[in-house]
Amino acid sequence: EVQLVESGGGLVQPGGSLRLTCATSGFTIITHWTHWFRQPPGQGLVWVARLDADGSDTAYADSVKGRFTVSGDTATNTVYLQMDSLRTDDTAVYYCARDAPHRRIDPWGPGTLVTVSS
Amino acid sequence: DIQMTQSPSSLSASVGDRVTITCQASQDIYNHLNWYQQKAGKAPKLLIYDASNLEIGVPSRFSGSGSGTDFTFSISSLQPEDLATYYCQQYRSLPITLGQGTRLEIK
Repeated sequence: EVQLVESGGGLVQPGGSLRLTCATSGFTIITHWTHWFRQPPGQGLVWVARLDADGSDTAYADSVKGRFTVSGDTATNTVYLQMDSLRTDDTAVYYCARDAPHRRIDPWGPGTLVTVSS
Repeated sequence: DIQMTQSPSSLSASVGDRVTITCQASQDIYNHLNWYQQKAGKAPKLLIYDASNLEIGVPSRFSGSGSGTDFTFSISSLQPEDLATYYCQQYRSLPITLGQGTRLEIK
């Protein structure tokens, strides 16, 4: 069974850093891209970043480019999202999800809440 | 970036009703359109991929159609467990973009 589980969320001050972890099982991150999405409280879903672990290629939304870094550990099939220079509008539930054949984004992890506040 | 315009933003329907949601892309996305269901406090769940293909395990009352810029999602006979917010999402190109969501309420 394919599963993803996020961890590492919490409360951080503006300007601070946080690293999210996405533990995966049932697939290998070398053969499937992995995405991060976020959902601010009461709002819709927004794509954040994509990792191509095979090619070590990454892509980011403009709103996080230069502040967030996505990476992966192929030995443990773990994906990370390093978030620096955090702002209050980064407050959201962060989800990781697998990129499956036919451009399906599925499944998603349960999410982890990041709150940026002083 | 490709903009996705989803409507309505909310709707209320009775059990057994047919429900339809539309999604319009700002440019041709071929059939690279997915539909997701998100229940309160939960992660999104994929229902439809490539505009009209039902994900394995999803009830057949859910369906999708369309190509190019105009897409439709339907529930043929609304059930109480369908209470959720529904999102369209394009994957024609990065950045992936989603519609604003449709909050579905049961009368």
